[in-house]
Amino acid sequence: DAKTTQPTSMDCAEGRAANLPCNHSTISGNEYVYWYRQIHSQGPQYIIHGLKNNETNEMASLIITEDRKSSTLILPHATLRDTAVYYCIVRSHGSSNTGKLIFGQGTTLQVKP
Amino acid sequence: KAGVTQTPRYLIKTRGQQVTLSCSPISGHRSVSWYQQTPGQGLQFLFEYFSETQRNKGNFPGRFSGRQFSNSRSEMNVSTLELGDSALYLCASSPWTGTNYGYTFGSGTRLTVV
Repeated sequence: DAKTTQPTSMDCAEGRAANLPCNHSTISGNEYVYWYRQIHSQGPQYIIHGLKNNETNEMASLIITEDRKSSTLILPHATLRDTAVYYCIVRSHGSSNTGKLIFGQGTTLQVKP
Repeated sequence: KAGVTQTPRYLIKTRGQQVTLSCSPISGHRSVSWYQQTPGQGLQFLFEYFSETQRNKGNFPGRFSGRQFSNSRSEMNVSTLELGDSALYLCASSPWTGTNYGYTFGSGTRLTVV
């Protein structure tokens, strides 16, 4: 089972910041938080990941709370092309875990004009 | 550089038949993972291959199998197809396994079993 809880759906106005929350209250010390998104009829796309520090890349920012029990993905200026299902995943690194990603139901983000 | 390539994009098969799907990872990537996506179950991990060896396997029946070749290309096979095997099958590649890398997914093969 997925170890994360996300809202089923969210709306965001085009040009505004989209803040997508994720709860992972049972996260272990060696588990990372990953975010992927899936645009309709395409494969999931990697966005960002982090352990405990906030992370930023060209796509988004990831804010992880100090107790690591929740995080927020921030798309600073959402566009219509950001409409997608966003998945928050926790996984450990190391050879025992390999490539297994456990996807939950994700959050459907609808960016509106 | 080229992304992850999956062939074919669409496939229609009859119950009881078998099917083979192909995945070519990004050049230099040695890990290939496979996932099944259905409306009811969402995205589920099938298995991962690294250096021609299966490293991890999800909770699927033995009808689902895979392999990886020396050039890192991978195939998955489903035998004795059932209607419930209708799904989008996705593969993902990564330079390595179990370390600090994101996985790049292909666009998938949509299998319809009739």
